[in-house]
Amino acid sequence: AQSVTQPDIHITVSEGASLELRCNYSYGATPYLFWYVQSPGQGLQLLLKYFSGDTLVQGIKGFEAEFKRSQSSFNLRKPSVHWSDAAEYFCAVGAPGTALIFGKGTTLSVSS
Amino acid sequence: NAGVMQNPRHLVRRRGQEARLRCSPMKGHSHVYWYRQLPEEGLKFMVYLQKENIIDESGMPKERFSAEFPKEGPSILRIQQVVRGDSAAYFCASSPRADWNTEAFFGQGTRLTVV
Repeated sequence: AQSVTQPDIHITVSEGASLELRCNYSYGATPYLFWYVQSPGQGLQLLLKYFSGDTLVQGIKGFEAEFKRSQSSFNLRKPSVHWSDAAEYFCAVGAPGTALIFGKGTTLSVSS
Repeated sequence: NAGVMQNPRHLVRRRGQEARLRCSPMKGHSHVYWYRQLPEEGLKFMVYLQKENIIDESGMPKERFSAEFPKEGPSILRIQQVVRGDSAAYFCASSPRADWNTEAFFGQGTRLTVV
């Protein structure tokens, strides 16, 4: 079955510390992978996406993600977290012309 | 170029009433997807539409829910005889072409509360 697992429901990180959000997927075909961020009461904003090529993908706001086929993972990272990064983060997988399958999300809190 | 516009942003309905949610895609986009986000859950696909056509409605509940995307005007998600379990945030996304994943933009959502 096709699915996306985000093992961490809630993570708290100190401002300035590094961040890694985990995402594992199960998908029959070669997947397209996405990370979205959702601030409270807002829609989803695309942080980055992976289709092919270099497995390390750079996104907006200083985020990056690495695709590891052998581990079926697409973890999101940021070297230094800012208070404004507090939000909910969703990993998603899909294929051209198909609907995206989303994980349940990870809520990031940033402590000062 | 305005983004994907959804209205209303918040909608309160009593049980048994109808809810109509609107989504205006970005200019030039003819592909629309609707998703539902239940509390503490990720987004679940509901329906994929192109102008005047329903392409994939595999995620739509079989009863009370319908969607359309007419030649002119916004896409409409309609929920008849709402129940408390319909309370959720409903998001639409639009894209200019079928391999929409390359350029998908989400609206800010409509938060439906059924009382």
